[in-house]
Amino acid sequence: DADVTQTPRNRITKTGKRIMLECSQTKGHDRMYWYRQDPGLGLRLIYYSFDVKDINKGEISDGYSVSRQAQAKFSLSLESAIPNQTALYFCATSDLLEGTGELFFGEGSRLTVL
Amino acid sequence: AQSVTQLGSHVSVSEGALVLLRCNYSSSVPPYLFWYVQYPNQGLQLLLKYTSAATLVKGINGFEAEFKKSETSFHLTKPSAHMSDAAEYFCAVSDPRSYIPTFGRGTSLIVHP
Repeated sequence: DADVTQTPRNRITKTGKRIMLECSQTKGHDRMYWYRQDPGLGLRLIYYSFDVKDINKGEISDGYSVSRQAQAKFSLSLESAIPNQTALYFCATSDLLEGTGELFFGEGSRLTVL
Repeated sequence: AQSVTQLGSHVSVSEGALVLLRCNYSSSVPPYLFWYVQYPNQGLQLLLKYTSAATLVKGINGFEAEFKKSETSFHLTKPSAHMSDAAEYFCAVSDPRSYIPTFGRGTSLIVHP
């Protein structure tokens, strides 16, 4: 099984619908991140969490919210999806004790908003 | 603030030729630097990382990168390209104070037979 698991892997939805992307990890890392990948734009940070009670906005948090339900679980929500949120979303983890910020990624969740 | 610039959104090489993917960074403090690879329909995985131990860093699959502080560069090279190297490559810089990585826009490596 993958160390960082994202569900769903693919989702097609309509404008205005609420969507939740879920991420769970078995690496025991304290830090978790949500990134968005768009062609030609690389990966952009949406939200990050250093522990269950520490959640922070990234560079493109508007239109998104997150919940850190446990050390191992970090979910991303789109309250009212819009077409320009169509993208590939990645969850990642890192270990503070490792000390460099090396990330471990899930396989990605491809979201299409019609 | 830190940033990463990857020169060339696409690089095309012939199988067996040298691979050179360029990365320049901006950071107010000595950074940690990474190269990640993304194969089609997969997540990103670490190729190599610079953590100030040695300026020439060797990674997986025959790739290496050299940290040049004077040029603020961390270019990725491989002496001989293989068809299986075709993928998207991302350079990233991590602030040693927060450890939050910032990514470049990526370079798509195309390998021709």
